[in-house]
Amino acid sequence: RKEVEQDPGPFNVPEGATVAFNCTYSNSASQSFFWYRQDCRKEPKLLMSVYSSGNEDGRFTAQLNRASQYISLLIRDSKLSDSATYLCVVSMNTGFQKLVFGTGTRLLVSP
Amino acid sequence: SQTIHQWPATLVQPVGSPLSLECTVEGTSNPNLYWYRQAAGRGLQLLFYSVGIGQISSEVPQNLSASRPQDRQFILSSKKLLLSDSGFYLCAWSVMWGNSGANVLTFGAGSRLTVL
Repeated sequence: RKEVEQDPGPFNVPEGATVAFNCTYSNSASQSFFWYRQDCRKEPKLLMSVYSSGNEDGRFTAQLNRASQYISLLIRDSKLSDSATYLCVVSMNTGFQKLVFGTGTRLLVSP
Repeated sequence: SQTIHQWPATLVQPVGSPLSLECTVEGTSNPNLYWYRQAAGRGLQLLFYSVGIGQISSEVPQNLSASRPQDRQFILSSKKLLLSDSGFYLCAWSVMWGNSGANVLTFGAGSRLTVL
């Protein structure tokens, strides 16, 4: 089983739609969680961290469910510029804080 | 502010040739430094990380090596490239996120390697 699993997509949505991605992780000792965004042929960039109580940043909402070991990202009112691959990232303490990346979920927002 | 530079951006190398990718960080001291590889259709794979000069930890066995000759310089090398070494190589540095102890990564622009 992969340490971090994501649906690769692509998710094709029209502008203005609400879309949600889920991510599951295998290590129950995982400590910190993040969503990164990666544009085509570019480097990943931090989108937001995921707090235990859930958190919101503008149109983006992240949720964590430790019992079920999954993380979600909700994007409201999708924009064309949201088209990208969204990477789920889990931090594990293996004597060193190691970040494990999912393979990403691709989002395509169309006019 | 901190910046991270990585070069070359793109390179095409024949099988069996050597490789050297360089990464430098500005605006911070004693950063944790990382090399990741992203192969086509796959997630980011951690190759090496370094917590200080001369301190290199390898995550996976391979024909690549890393060195950190200076505090803010991280180099990825190979003596003889394989076809399977093709991919997108990303250098990153990290800062600790809040009180969690987790490291948040900032990536360089990447080096796209094609081995023929």
